[in-house]
Amino acid sequence: NAGVTQTPKFQVLKTGQSMTLQCAQDMNHEYMSWYRQDPGMGLRLIHYSVGAGITDQGEVPNGYNVSRSTTEDFPLRLLSAAPSQTSVYFCASSQTGIWYEQYFGPGTRLTVT
Amino acid sequence: AQSVAQPEDQVNVAEGNPLTVKCTYSVSGNPYLFWYVQYPNRGLQFLLKYITGDNLVKGSYGFEAEFNKSQTSFHLKKPSALVSDSALYFCAVRDGDNFNKFYFGSGTKLNVKP
Repeated sequence: NAGVTQTPKFQVLKTGQSMTLQCAQDMNHEYMSWYRQDPGMGLRLIHYSVGAGITDQGEVPNGYNVSRSTTEDFPLRLLSAAPSQTSVYFCASSQTGIWYEQYFGPGTRLTVT
Repeated sequence: AQSVAQPEDQVNVAEGNPLTVKCTYSVSGNPYLFWYVQYPNRGLQFLLKYITGDNLVKGSYGFEAEFNKSQTSFHLKKPSALVSDSALYFCAVRDGDNFNKFYFGSGTKLNVKP
């Protein structure tokens, strides 16, 4: 049971480039989410999904796209990278319901120059 | 608006002493509260949660948290700190209007000295 996996671990982009951060989970969780972590600001929710084909915006969605074609995968796309998107990105998943905690992936450290 | 505050950026405690990491929240409706721990270069790990019931919640690694509705607080505690408890701790709350959203505090770095 691998839990939540993320690739790549590190990435450097130039301003304007696009890329996709991959996230997968093998726990059959319906709920998946993406966060960014910035110093002194904790984690902020970018997008979330409550099942295949269903996504919605979080607190800081601008500049990011998501889709959910399968229960297992929830990729995050940066359409045109900006230096302000330099951050550590975490994917998480959980069972659906208020009682359940989230399981986090190891993170992707992204630098945009 | 929903929010979580962790008023201390850093907490220093000697090994063997009790520790407290503070968290206050603002949420509409009933609060659903969580504590997570992050070790360097790792993802967050779940410690404990308050959904309903007893105000004292016990979690992993000997940690516990006290829910206080009147003070809107959910402080993390441990009776005897270990050096290995040194990490970054985050408090989180579910959005009272949309349970699919979460808000995290800014984090508190716990330093436990031998």
